[in-house]
Amino acid sequence: GAVVSQHPSWVICKSGTSVKIECRSLDFQATTMFWYRQFPKQSLMLMATSNEGSKATYEQGVEKDKFLINHASLTLSTLTVTSAHPEDSSFYICSARDTGTSSFYEQYFGPGTRLTVT
Amino acid sequence: DAKTTQPTSMDCAEGRAANLPCNHSTISGNEYVYWYRQIHSQGPQYIIHGLKNNETNEMASLIITEDRKSSTLILPHATLRDTAVYYCIVRSHTGANSKLTFGKGITLSVRP
Repeated sequence: GAVVSQHPSWVICKSGTSVKIECRSLDFQATTMFWYRQFPKQSLMLMATSNEGSKATYEQGVEKDKFLINHASLTLSTLTVTSAHPEDSSFYICSARDTGTSSFYEQYFGPGTRLTVT
Repeated sequence: DAKTTQPTSMDCAEGRAANLPCNHSTISGNEYVYWYRQIHSQGPQYIIHGLKNNETNEMASLIITEDRKSSTLILPHATLRDTAVYYCIVRSHTGANSKLTFGKGITLSVRP
């Protein structure tokens, strides 16, 4: 149980285009999901917290107009990187909290999406 | 500010116990100690967490000192598949400190 999927697993796009990454909780409901970014040989950095049915909360320094987050259902959150540039190339990882069980405080992570902007 | 400090790396022999230390001297009374690991190019995987008492599950054991200023994650019989970056994180279950904030972690290399 407690599986989180991401799609796509990797994507290459041209500079200036937008890319959407999906995060799904497959066997549980997640009121809250999180988006992280990880550059090579660095740790995960929290970008934003996504709450179902409301606006996402962004961490300091993360441009909300560039990284659009939508959490329209209890099992799906999307991250759209708008007008992507090479410096946005990174490993994007989502995470979800199971809000329906005693394991509420455990966060389950997706496998990540490798974005390369050329 | 980092709330935990871990060595940069360590290695151990396959089949032996791997003991991964973590210092968290500024931990608050309502903060838990969590451990996650990340195998190369994958998402982090939850391992274990605890508040005061030692904890054990099918993956590992967590030993927390009585003053809660440090802890040790124990992988009882390390395998090559345990090679990963291990993150020790302190967090509360409510409020702003409930976020999972990752530090640099410790890179564990299990050698044959």
